[in-house]
Amino acid sequence: GDSVTQMEGPVTLSEEAFLTINCTYTATGYPSLFWYVQYPGEGLQLLLKATKADDKGSNKGFEATYRKETTSFHLEKGSVQVSDSAVYFCALSRGDKLIFGTGTRLQVFP
Amino acid sequence: GAVVSQHPSRVICKSGTSVKIECRSLDFQATTMFWYRQFPKQSLMLMATSNEGSKATYEQGVEKDKFLINHASLTLSTLTVTSAHPEDSSFYICSASAPSGATWGAFFGQGTRLTVV
Repeated sequence: GDSVTQMEGPVTLSEEAFLTINCTYTATGYPSLFWYVQYPGEGLQLLLKATKADDKGSNKGFEATYRKETTSFHLEKGSVQVSDSAVYFCALSRGDKLIFGTGTRLQVFP
Repeated sequence: GAVVSQHPSRVICKSGTSVKIECRSLDFQATTMFWYRQFPKQSLMLMATSNEGSKATYEQGVEKDKFLINHASLTLSTLTVTSAHPEDSSFYICSASAPSGATWGAFFGQGTRLTVV
């Protein structure tokens, strides 16, 4: 069945470092792909999405490109801030359902 | 942006008792709400989908008599864990989609940490 695999965390970075959080998926057809972020004490928020191959989603300095050939949707940011500390979830949509990865905790230190 | 409020954020209950978790959409009407469960170091797993005014649709392996879902209005869905046991301890999250839903399931509650002792 469909599934999403994320790198385990926590990912610990210094401020202004480059961030990559890996996400790969297994699915039939061409699902839409998402990154959600959960800040401490808050609900999940949509960070970015891509609906077809080679699409690049971007928001708040974060980017992810839908790579069909490698079935990946890695999240990147060129320079992280302390305020980016959160849990990041990769997900795909299958019909009216979302299938999530396990989440990756990012900790950014000044 | 749209806000979904989930309450309580944490609850501890005794084995055998029931616990109700509320999920409210604060500034929009949600025709469909979703309930997820997350065990430590595992993915969020969809438990059920509820549509306002109709019965919930449960995912395979989820006991509908144990996890009662009510979506009585366009702004409120409740999940009741009946006769809770320690293995029900988990993190429960709801999400809601608006009729015009810019992105499916884009609005999530803060989650509820349930501990059954």
